[in-house]
Amino acid sequence: GAVVSQHPSWVICKSGTSVKIECRSLDFQATTMFWYRQFPKQSLMLMATSNEGSKATYEQGVEKDKFLINHASLTLSTLTVTSAHPEDSSFYICSAIAGDETQYFGPGTRLLVL
Amino acid sequence: GDSVTQMEGPVTLSEEAFLTINCTYTATGYPSLFWYVQYPGEGLQLLLKATKADDKGSNKGFEATYRKETTSFHLEKGSVQVSDSAVYFCALRRPGGYNKLIFGAGTRLAVHP
Repeated sequence: GAVVSQHPSWVICKSGTSVKIECRSLDFQATTMFWYRQFPKQSLMLMATSNEGSKATYEQGVEKDKFLINHASLTLSTLTVTSAHPEDSSFYICSAIAGDETQYFGPGTRLLVL
Repeated sequence: GDSVTQMEGPVTLSEEAFLTINCTYTATGYPSLFWYVQYPGEGLQLLLKATKADDKGSNKGFEATYRKETTSFHLEKGSVQVSDSAVYFCALRRPGGYNKLIFGAGTRLAVHP
């Protein structure tokens, strides 16, 4: 089946620094990827839709200057959390749309901001 | 708006018991329906899907049938194992909805030996 990877799997950073998370579709090309945030024991919250070659579309209430998304190729999207603060600590999950229009998810990145 | 409602968990079962996790939806048109599973500390894995009414999705002993008349997509398994312990998410994708998924709240399943 289609595989999506994320890197890093976990990251600890100091408050005020920026963190970049990569999402890759390993065996298929994806013009559309999604970024989600998941709080403990809760469902996934869609943050933004990442479209290859164009600007990301952010969901209401998500700060686009805080969460920078770049979809530079058909297999890579990146999420950069800028000037991270403790409240940004969370589990970030990406997904990619395969040719059969099924959404495949990455394993997630756990971010802890101290 | 479109939404997905799942039964509240946690669901606690003994090994080899029968599992049902209820899922109902509200949507315009004919959405596609999905079940995803999330094991501890991991992302979501697609478990099964159905794209039209009366379709049955199945995988790893799990089944779900798309029932338009009751707007339901209940997940079932005849004999659960300890390794099935996870959180299960029901989701819908609306036609023309830019592939966005709308998730239910998730149902935690704990299977004991």
